[in-house]
Amino acid sequence: NAGVTQTPKFRILKIGQSMTLQCTQDMNHNYMYWYRQDPGMGLKLIYYSVGAGITDKGEVPNGYNVSRSTTEDFPLRLELAAPSQTSVYFCASRGTGPNTGELFFGEGSRLTVL
Amino acid sequence: AQSVAQPEDQVNVAEGNPLTVKCTYSVSGNPYLFWYVQYPNRGLQFLLKYITGDNLVKGSYGFEAEFNKSQTSFHLKKPSALVSDSALYFCAVRGGGSQGNLIFGKGTKLSVKP
Repeated sequence: NAGVTQTPKFRILKIGQSMTLQCTQDMNHNYMYWYRQDPGMGLKLIYYSVGAGITDKGEVPNGYNVSRSTTEDFPLRLELAAPSQTSVYFCASRGTGPNTGELFFGEGSRLTVL
Repeated sequence: AQSVAQPEDQVNVAEGNPLTVKCTYSVSGNPYLFWYVQYPNRGLQFLLKYITGDNLVKGSYGFEAEFNKSQTSFHLKKPSALVSDSALYFCAVRGGGSQGNLIFGKGTKLSVKP
């Protein structure tokens, strides 16, 4: 049972380059999320999805884009990378039901923009 | 708006002593509260949650948390700390609306010395 899988684990980008962070989950969860983690700042929500074909902005969406064509996959696209996007990115998913609520996280993707 | 606060950036404890990591929350409606742990260069791991029921919640690795409605607190506790408990701990509250995301505190670094 792999859970939530993120690739790549590490990446260095030059300013202005673009890339996609991949996220896939095998738990058949409808809800998926992208967070970024910066030191001393906790985690901030970038985008989320409540099901295939449905996405919406979170707290810090500028400079990012997402798509959700399948239940399993939720890629995060960075266009025109900037140094401010240097961060650790976490993908998470959540099931539904009366006693659920916790998110399951991937291991993270560490991105540096130089 | 939902929010959580972790008033301590760092907590230092001697091995074998009890530990407490503090969290206070602000929500409209009933709170859904969570604790996560993050080891270096890893994703967040779920420890425990409070949704309803007993105010004392037991979780993974011997951790427990006490929900206190009058003080709007959800402190994480462990009777006897281990060196291996050293990590970054996050308190979180479920956000409002249908997206079900978690809103995280800034994190508390727990250091357990032998």
